[in-house]
Amino acid sequence: QLQLQESGPGLVKPSETLSLTCRVSNGSISSNSYYWGWIRQPPGKGPEWIGMIYYSGSTYYNPSLESRVTISIDTSKSQFSLKVNSVTAADAAVYYCASLNWKDLRFDNWGQGTLVTVSS
Amino acid sequence: DIQMTQSPSTLSASIGDRVTITCRASQSITRWLAWYQQKQGKAPKLLIYKASTLESGVPSRFSGSGSGTEFTLTISSLQPDDFATYYCQHYNSYPWTFGQGTKVEIK
Repeated sequence: QLQLQESGPGLVKPSETLSLTCRVSNGSISSNSYYWGWIRQPPGKGPEWIGMIYYSGSTYYNPSLESRVTISIDTSKSQFSLKVNSVTAADAAVYYCASLNWKDLRFDNWGQGTLVTVSS
Repeated sequence: DIQMTQSPSTLSASIGDRVTITCRASQSITRWLAWYQQKQGKAPKLLIYKASTLESGVPSRFSGSGSGTEFTLTISSLQPDDFATYYCQHYNSYPWTFGQGTKVEIK
C-alpha cells in the first residue's frame, strides 16, 4: 500500500511562503494510475481541496487558491511539493498529501498530516 | 462552486443503532460523491466512493446511496470504532469540495 509522508516547517510568518513536501513510498510516483494531491483542514472545519499533480507535471488547482499556490513534482526523489505564497492566518491548517486513484477519482491513501501555524 | 451541506452536524447514538447521515449538493453531481471517516488527530479515511461503492477493507455495515443532489451514508449497526466525524466530498467538477462534517457521538 502506498505510503505518504509530509514534511516542512510548522511555523510560517505572515506574508511569507509556506513550503511542504510529500514523500511517496511503497509505490511509484510515476504511476499512470495516480494523481498526487494536497488537501488542508483548518482547525475545527471541513477539509479543503488545494490541488493535484500528475507525474507528467499536469496540474489542477482550486480556483480560490490558484493565484498563490504551486504544486510541483520530482519523480527522481519520489516526492511532490506545495508552495503557498503570501500566507495569512487563514492559511493555518493541517496540510495533508494524498494519492488520487485516477480510475475512480478517489483519495485512497493519505499522509498523517502536518500542522502549519501562521504567526510572526 | 458546488456547496455540500451535511445533516445533522452532530448525532448522538448508542452501540447497535442504525445511523443515517445526509449530504446535499447545491447542484447535481450525478454519483460523483465520496464519504470519509475522520478520528481526532488522524487523516480522513475513505469509506465509500461513486456514492455507493465500498472501499476495500471497509466493514459492510457502512453503505452509501443517492444520486443527483441527495446522498446518504448509513451505518447499519453502530460499533465503538465508528464514533468519529464523517465528511462527504464531491468530485463532479472543479473545485472539489467537502461538507462541513457530521460528528457521531456516544449517547
